Amino acid sequence: GAGVSQSPRYKVAKRGQDVALRCDPISGHVSLFWYQQALGQGPEFLTYFQNEAQLDKSGLPSDRFFAERPEGSVSTLKIQRTQQEDSAVYLCASSFGRSSGNTIYFGEGSWLTVV
Amino acid sequence: KQEVTQIPAALSVPEGENLVLNCSFTDSAIYNLQWFRQDPGKGLTSLLLIQSSQREQTSGRLNASLDKSSGRSTLYIAASQPGDSATYLCGGGNKLTFGTGTQLKVEL
Repeated sequence: GAGVSQSPRYKVAKRGQDVALRCDPISGHVSLFWYQQALGQGPEFLTYFQNEAQLDKSGLPSDRFFAERPEGSVSTLKIQRTQQEDSAVYLCASSFGRSSGNTIYFGEGSWLTVV
Repeated sequence: KQEVTQIPAALSVPEGENLVLNCSFTDSAIYNLQWFRQDPGKGLTSLLLIQSSQREQTSGRLNASLDKSSGRSTLYIAASQPGDSATYLCGGGNKLTFGTGTQLKVEL
Protein backbone atom coordinates (compact mmCIF):
# COMPACT_ATOMS: atom_id res chain seq x y z
CA GLY A 1 0.00 0.00 0.00
CA ALA A 2 0.92 3.62 -0.33
CA GLY A 3 0.74 4.51 3.34
CA VAL A 4 1.58 3.15 6.77
CA SER A 5 -0.72 0.26 7.57
CA GLN A 6 -1.61 -0.87 11.08
CA SER A 7 -3.54 -3.89 12.29
CA PRO A 8 -5.75 -4.60 14.03
CA ARG A 9 -7.55 -1.28 13.87
CA TYR A 10 -9.53 -2.11 16.97
CA LYS A 11 -8.73 -4.55 19.75
CA VAL A 12 -10.59 -5.32 22.95
CA ALA A 13 -8.50 -7.29 25.40
CA LYS A 14 -9.33 -8.69 28.79
CA ARG A 15 -7.07 -7.52 31.57
CA GLY A 16 -4.09 -9.85 31.76
CA GLN A 17 -4.23 -10.87 28.12
CA ASP A 18 -1.26 -10.39 25.78
CA VAL A 19 -1.73 -8.35 22.59
CA ALA A 20 0.34 -7.82 19.45
CA LEU A 21 -0.03 -4.79 17.22
CA ARG A 22 1.41 -4.80 13.73
CA CYS A 23 2.82 -1.99 11.63
CA ASP A 24 3.64 -2.09 7.92
CA PRO A 25 5.67 1.05 7.16
CA ILE A 26 5.99 2.64 3.76
CA SER A 27 8.32 0.52 1.63
CA GLY A 28 11.92 1.66 1.85
CA HIS A 29 11.46 3.78 4.95
CA VAL A 30 14.43 3.45 7.26
CA SER A 31 12.96 4.98 10.40
CA LEU A 32 10.00 3.61 12.32
CA PHE A 33 8.39 5.08 15.43
CA TRP A 34 5.74 3.88 17.85
CA TYR A 35 3.61 6.32 19.85
CA GLN A 36 0.87 5.97 22.43
CA GLN A 37 -1.99 8.48 22.36
CA ALA A 38 -4.50 8.79 25.17
CA LEU A 39 -7.84 10.47 24.55
CA GLY A 40 -7.47 14.23 24.25
CA GLN A 41 -3.69 14.12 24.44
CA GLY A 42 -0.86 14.36 21.98
CA PRO A 43 1.07 11.22 20.99
CA GLU A 44 3.73 10.08 23.47
CA PHE A 45 6.93 8.55 22.12
CA LEU A 46 7.46 4.86 22.87
CA THR A 47 10.32 3.58 20.73
CA TYR A 48 12.35 4.17 17.56
CA PHE A 49 13.92 1.81 15.02
CA GLN A 50 16.44 2.54 12.35
CA ASN A 51 16.16 -0.44 10.01
CA GLU A 52 16.16 -3.46 12.35
CA ALA A 53 18.03 -1.73 15.16
CA GLN A 54 16.00 -0.45 18.09
CA LEU A 55 17.94 2.73 18.84
CA ASP A 56 15.67 4.21 21.48
CA LYS A 57 13.16 2.50 23.74
CA SER A 58 13.17 5.08 26.46
CA GLY A 59 9.43 5.73 26.13
CA LEU A 60 8.25 2.19 26.76
CA PRO A 61 6.28 2.54 30.02
CA SER A 62 7.21 -0.82 31.53
CA ASP A 63 8.87 -4.14 30.81
CA ARG A 64 5.47 -5.44 29.72
CA PHE A 65 5.97 -3.50 26.48
CA PHE A 66 8.22 -4.95 23.81
CA ALA A 67 8.79 -3.95 20.19
CA GLU A 68 10.67 -5.57 17.36
CA ARG A 69 11.44 -5.06 13.69
CA PRO A 70 13.49 -8.15 12.85
CA GLU A 71 13.94 -7.60 9.10
CA GLY A 72 13.89 -3.84 9.05
CA SER A 73 10.41 -3.52 7.61
CA VAL A 74 7.31 -4.77 9.51
CA SER A 75 7.27 -4.00 13.21
CA THR A 76 5.28 -5.51 16.06
CA LEU A 77 4.49 -3.89 19.39
CA LYS A 78 3.67 -6.47 22.03
CA ILE A 79 2.02 -5.73 25.34
CA GLN A 80 2.05 -8.50 27.92
CA ARG A 81 -0.45 -8.87 30.76
CA THR A 82 -2.46 -5.86 29.63
CA GLN A 83 -3.83 -3.48 32.23
CA GLN A 84 -6.61 -0.91 31.99
CA GLU A 85 -4.15 1.98 31.81
CA ASP A 86 -2.80 0.49 28.58
CA SER A 87 -6.06 1.51 26.85
CA ALA A 88 -5.04 4.01 24.19
CA VAL A 89 -4.43 4.42 20.49
CA TYR A 90 -1.07 3.06 19.38
CA LEU A 91 0.29 4.93 16.40
CA CYS A 92 3.06 3.78 14.11
CA ALA A 93 4.97 6.19 11.90
CA SER A 94 7.77 5.90 9.37
CA SER A 95 10.12 8.16 7.48
CA PHE A 96 12.60 7.76 4.68
CA GLY A 97 15.61 9.24 6.41
CA ARG A 98 17.52 8.54 9.57
CA SER A 99 16.40 11.50 11.64
CA SER A 100 13.37 13.54 12.51
CA GLY A 101 14.43 15.97 9.78
CA ASN A 102 12.30 14.08 7.30
CA THR A 103 8.57 14.08 6.78
CA ILE A 104 7.01 11.51 9.06
CA TYR A 105 4.01 9.48 7.90
CA PHE A 106 1.57 8.06 10.41
CA GLY A 107 -0.76 5.10 10.24
CA GLU A 108 -4.35 5.37 11.44
CA GLY A 109 -3.55 3.63 14.68
CA SER A 110 -4.59 0.57 16.62
CA TRP A 111 -7.27 1.34 19.20
CA LEU A 112 -6.75 -0.82 22.26
CA THR A 113 -9.38 -1.13 24.97
CA VAL A 114 -8.56 -3.23 28.02
CA VAL A 115 -11.61 -4.37 29.98
CA LYS B 1 12.29 16.55 29.82
CA GLN B 2 11.06 18.40 26.78
CA GLU B 3 7.54 19.77 27.17
CA VAL B 4 5.40 21.34 24.49
CA THR B 5 2.62 23.84 25.00
CA GLN B 6 0.05 24.67 22.35
CA ILE B 7 -2.11 27.74 22.53
CA PRO B 8 -5.04 28.05 22.23
CA ALA B 9 -6.34 24.61 23.25
CA ALA B 10 -9.47 25.18 21.21
CA LEU B 11 -10.57 27.74 18.66
CA SER B 12 -13.83 28.36 16.82
CA VAL B 13 -13.87 30.85 13.95
CA PRO B 14 -16.16 31.81 11.08
CA GLU B 15 -15.15 30.74 7.59
CA GLY B 16 -12.72 33.07 5.87
CA GLU B 17 -10.82 34.22 8.94
CA ASN B 18 -7.06 34.18 9.11
CA LEU B 19 -5.78 32.51 12.25
CA VAL B 20 -2.62 31.75 14.20
CA LEU B 21 -1.79 28.66 16.24
CA ASN B 22 1.12 28.71 18.66
CA CYS B 23 3.52 26.08 19.91
CA SER B 24 6.38 26.46 22.39
CA PHE B 25 9.04 24.07 23.67
CA THR B 26 10.67 24.20 27.10
CA ASP B 27 14.00 23.20 25.54
CA SER B 28 14.58 25.66 22.71
CA ALA B 29 17.17 23.38 21.06
CA ILE B 30 14.65 22.17 18.51
CA TYR B 31 16.31 21.41 15.22
CA ASN B 32 13.38 19.99 13.31
CA LEU B 33 9.72 20.78 13.75
CA GLN B 34 6.62 19.45 12.07
CA TRP B 35 3.03 20.55 12.12
CA PHE B 36 0.36 17.88 11.75
CA ARG B 37 -3.40 17.74 11.55
CA GLN B 38 -5.43 14.95 13.08
CA ASP B 39 -9.02 14.25 12.13
CA PRO B 40 -11.23 12.33 14.60
CA GLY B 41 -10.39 8.65 14.67
CA LYS B 42 -7.49 9.07 12.29
CA GLY B 43 -3.72 9.22 12.39
CA LEU B 44 -1.65 12.35 11.97
CA THR B 45 -1.08 13.95 8.58
CA SER B 46 2.09 15.98 8.14
CA LEU B 47 1.42 19.54 6.97
CA LEU B 48 4.76 21.29 7.11
CA LEU B 49 8.31 20.32 8.09
CA ILE B 50 10.83 22.94 9.15
CA GLN B 51 14.30 21.46 8.98
CA SER B 52 17.35 22.58 10.92
CA SER B 53 18.56 24.94 8.18
CA GLN B 54 15.16 26.62 7.74
CA ARG B 55 13.10 29.17 9.59
CA GLU B 56 9.78 28.80 7.84
CA GLN B 57 7.82 26.76 5.34
CA THR B 58 4.77 27.49 3.23
CA SER B 59 2.24 25.22 1.59
CA GLY B 60 -0.83 26.74 0.03
CA ARG B 61 -2.77 28.63 2.69
CA LEU B 62 -0.45 27.40 5.45
CA ASN B 63 2.70 29.03 6.71
CA ALA B 64 4.79 27.81 9.62
CA SER B 65 7.73 29.53 11.22
CA LEU B 66 10.21 28.53 13.90
CA ASP B 67 12.16 30.84 16.18
CA LYS B 68 14.99 28.62 17.38
CA SER B 69 16.27 31.12 19.91
CA SER B 70 13.01 30.95 21.87
CA GLY B 71 11.75 27.50 20.85
CA ARG B 72 8.48 28.91 19.56
CA SER B 73 6.64 28.03 16.38
CA THR B 74 3.59 29.54 14.73
CA LEU B 75 1.21 28.03 12.20
CA TYR B 76 -0.68 30.59 10.17
CA ILE B 77 -3.81 29.52 8.27
CA ALA B 78 -5.14 31.98 5.74
CA ALA B 79 -8.76 32.21 4.63
CA SER B 80 -9.92 29.32 6.80
CA GLN B 81 -12.46 26.83 5.46
CA PRO B 82 -14.77 24.31 7.16
CA GLY B 83 -12.51 21.54 5.83
CA ASP B 84 -9.70 22.91 8.00
CA SER B 85 -11.60 21.76 11.10
CA ALA B 86 -9.34 19.29 12.90
CA THR B 87 -6.84 19.06 15.74
CA TYR B 88 -3.48 20.63 14.92
CA LEU B 89 -0.37 19.24 16.61
CA CYS B 90 3.22 20.40 16.58
CA GLY B 91 6.04 17.95 17.15
CA GLY B 92 9.74 18.63 17.49
CA GLY B 93 13.07 17.09 18.40
CA ASN B 94 14.57 13.72 17.61
CA LYS B 95 11.72 11.76 19.17
CA LEU B 96 9.01 14.16 18.03
CA THR B 97 7.70 15.41 21.33
CA PHE B 98 4.11 16.61 20.84
CA GLY B 99 1.86 19.14 22.43
CA THR B 100 -1.76 18.34 23.27
CA GLY B 101 -2.94 20.14 20.16
CA THR B 102 -5.31 22.92 19.17
CA GLN B 103 -8.84 21.85 18.28
CA LEU B 104 -9.98 24.07 15.44
CA LYS B 105 -13.55 24.45 14.26
CA VAL B 106 -14.29 26.60 11.23
CA GLU B 107 -17.97 27.38 10.92
CA LEU B 108 -19.98 28.32 7.85
